[in-house]
Amino acid sequence: QKEVEQDPGPLSVPEGAIVSLNCTYSNSAFQYFMWYRQYSRKGPELLMYTYSSGNKEDGRFTAQVDKSSKYISLFIRDSQPSDSATYLCAMSDSGAGSYQLTFGKGTKLSVIP
Amino acid sequence: GAVVSQHPSRVICKSGTSVKIECRSLDFQATTMFWYRQFPKQSLMLMATSNEGSKATYEQGVEKDKFLINHASLTLSTLTVTSAHPEDSSFYICSARPTGAQETQYFGPGTRLLVL
Repeated sequence: QKEVEQDPGPLSVPEGAIVSLNCTYSNSAFQYFMWYRQYSRKGPELLMYTYSSGNKEDGRFTAQVDKSSKYISLFIRDSQPSDSATYLCAMSDSGAGSYQLTFGKGTKLSVIP
Repeated sequence: GAVVSQHPSRVICKSGTSVKIECRSLDFQATTMFWYRQFPKQSLMLMATSNEGSKATYEQGVEKDKFLINHASLTLSTLTVTSAHPEDSSFYICSARPTGAQETQYFGPGTRLLVL
């Protein structure tokens, strides 16, 4: 079993839809959870960062972490064509002080006008 | 803020030559930088962790003599692919961790390497 599981999609939604992206993980030591957006042939861009369980909202984006279920989500409201990209979840722990990121494979999202 | 640059953005070279990729944190200091490799439709694979003023830590299976890393200052790390071969063709991405912010990383735009 991989440490982080993420459905690669592709996921296509109409403009204005609510998008739900998810990751599950197996390492209970993970404490820091991030979502990155990566456009084609570009580096990942940090979208959301959450520590431990709970919700965090930033504009049209909401990140949720449920550590008891080892499940994290990213919701995008009023999706726009410019949201079309690959979304990567990433997580880390503080073990050995390394804070190395473990990534999911990424979900490719297309928002259709 | 939190901008990371990479240079070059794209490079084509002949087999057997060496290629140097620079990673710079433009508006913050980074004690630690990371080098990743990404194949098409795959996630990022960590190659090595680079700490300023010390030797890099390489992930299992990554040849340290082939992928030379130098982190000479708090804003610059370099990756040199030595004696490149076609199988080294890939998308190389660096990230930088701001000093004092242990849990976040900011990524560069990536360097696409094609070895002929």
